Amino acid sequence: DARVTQTPRDKVTEMGQEVTMRCQPILGHNTVFWYRQTMMQGLELLAYFRNRAPLDDSGMPKDRFSAEMPDATLATLKIQPSEPRDSAVYFCASALGTGDQETQYFGPGTRLLVL
Amino acid sequence: AQTVTQSQPEMSVQEAETVTLSCTYDTSESDYYLFWYKQPPSRQMILVIRQEAYKQQNATENRFSVNFQKAAKSFSLKISDSQLGDAAMYFCAYRSFTSGTYKYIFGTGTRLKVLA
Repeated sequence: DARVTQTPRDKVTEMGQEVTMRCQPILGHNTVFWYRQTMMQGLELLAYFRNRAPLDDSGMPKDRFSAEMPDATLATLKIQPSEPRDSAVYFCASALGTGDQETQYFGPGTRLLVL
Repeated sequence: AQTVTQSQPEMSVQEAETVTLSCTYDTSESDYYLFWYKQPPSRQMILVIRQEAYKQQNATENRFSVNFQKAAKSFSLKISDSQLGDAAMYFCAYRSFTSGTYKYIFGTGTRLKVLA
């Protein structure tokens, strides 16, 4: 049963600290998405990659957020420095990118609390 | 800009009964996909059903079916024979793929309670 995995599941940190969230997409999937879910804004697309290349990160605050795919099995989302307003659930999703046809599958999310 | 609206913050249904969750959207694009995702307390987002805009036939997945009205820009989800395990947040989502770029827009969700 192929699944997207995310670590950590929960993270509590203090304002100003660096936070790194990791995602392992489903093996063979070449498209990876990062989302943020908050009560106020709902689910927002932050960035996505295809074949490890960033295609769109327009939804991501550029000054403190960065997303990378060091290899095909790992995607990372970093926040440095973190702020209380970054508290949210961050989801990774992956898809077998066949253009218009693909469906994305979500990981369990990382719940981040910045104090 | 595209928008997705779920006007029902919360719905309740008796076990074994049928419930319909509403979703409307706005777009000027002609080619897009629509989805319903379920998010139980475990937090996992689970794909329930998808609909291609170019297909007139409504999608069906076991007890889940949609009523897709393209002209009205409406995409409702019907759950038949509701089960306790159906209790969750349900999100309607819109996706387009234009010039090599995805747009994903999610609604604010409807919390479904299933009463025993």
